[in-house]
Amino acid sequence: DAKTTQPNSMESNEEEPVHLPCNHSTISGTDYIHWYRQLPSQGPEYVIHGLTSNVNNRMASLAIAEDRKSSTLILHRATLRDAAVYYCILSGANSKLTFGKGITLSVRP
Amino acid sequence: GAVVSQHPSWVICKSGTSVKIECRSLDFQATTMFWYRQFPKQSLMLMATSNEGSKATYEQGVEKDKFLINHASLTLSTLTVTSAHPEDSSFYICSATPFMLWLTGYTFGSGTRLTVV
Repeated sequence: DAKTTQPNSMESNEEEPVHLPCNHSTISGTDYIHWYRQLPSQGPEYVIHGLTSNVNNRMASLAIAEDRKSSTLILHRATLRDAAVYYCILSGANSKLTFGKGITLSVRP
Repeated sequence: GAVVSQHPSWVICKSGTSVKIECRSLDFQATTMFWYRQFPKQSLMLMATSNEGSKATYEQGVEKDKFLINHASLTLSTLTVTSAHPEDSSFYICSATPFMLWLTGYTFGSGTRLTVV
């Protein structure tokens, strides 16, 4: 599976936008870009996913670079409940997800 | 939305005993479910892919005889940790998807905290 690279951690202020970067330079044409987040002692939660075009849903936006070698998860207004580990994962259609270390997001009140 | 229920949420067992963890898709059918293990302050590690009506596919390094997986119906997969030892203490998580992955992401269970004493 193609790998992703994320910073170890990021801090943000409450009610401000957060941009979480992810590099995936070896992405293949059929790989989808997924984002999940995990709170302590809970299972991961689906956030968003996309293939080529930018995606928006009620939780976040996903901005995908034109060459698809990087992407950014955008939380438009961070809340304290958004503090979690965020995982950027590549997968082919209908294939297993391999988790990396993720990025730990802290939100300051 | 798609819901995956995992039971129990936590279990304590004695060394040498076996423990069964259930993973159910509540409002959809899942021909494939996945089992992960997560140690403290580490990421999720995929253990195996559970296929309805057939044998599970295990990741390299995962002992098939120790972690028995049964996927007897389209809504239930079970993971049995046999002859558990303290090093098996971990957070076990299952996941499934109601549609092709490209349509929607995977839904995860809330996890099972296993402590072997």
